Amino acid sequence: DTEVTQTPKHLVMGMTNKKSLKCEQHMGHRAMYWYKQKAKKPPELMFVYSYEKLSINESVPSRFSPECPNSSLLNLHLHALQPEDSALYLCASSQGQGADEQYFGPGTRLTVT
Amino acid sequence: QKEVEQDPGPLSVPEGAIVSLNCTYSNSAFQYFMWYRQYSRKGPELLMYTYSSGNKEDGRFTAQVDKSSKYISLFIRDSQPSDSATYLCAMSSPRADMRFGAGTRLTVKP
Repeated sequence: DTEVTQTPKHLVMGMTNKKSLKCEQHMGHRAMYWYKQKAKKPPELMFVYSYEKLSINESVPSRFSPECPNSSLLNLHLHALQPEDSALYLCASSQGQGADEQYFGPGTRLTVT
Repeated sequence: QKEVEQDPGPLSVPEGAIVSLNCTYSNSAFQYFMWYRQYSRKGPELLMYTYSSGNKEDGRFTAQVDKSSKYISLFIRDSQPSDSATYLCAMSSPRADMRFGAGTRLTVKP
């Protein structure tokens, strides 16, 4: 089983709202990732968690706040977003960070109004 | 110069054709090479994972890596309309996270 699940599938939020994206994997992977993907562009890395600790933050604005409650779960808390933050948000996981192949979830399509 | 270069296409072929997709890269530290397929509005799906130079075959798909030329390829034999998608190359090293190419949009026409 190489499944990564993400909820919700779609999210529409105003610029003053607070919402959270959720990601789950049960493959025993110890690295989990958040990516942002705009239309017709490749995924852009936002955050990496390795063994439940934040190891990489690619200079992401503080209105995005990641959280890794345990080795299977990854959250992305959203607050005071801008319309340009509208995108497909992808979660991925891998056995370890760096060398191992990553498995992606289906993504959450976020629209900020 | 981008670390990973991939022609975004679009590429259109007739059903049954052999498709060749390519990426070049500049970072000689990359050791792990991947190809992902992404359908519209879906997450990327891992197709092939290869380590270092050589060929790997899986059904209609063949991945080639030439580290001396810093060049990787994905071949699709007997292409089908269901292969119509964006194909992303990606690569990494033990000390660096994955880097994606721009993605090539492929259409296979019946």
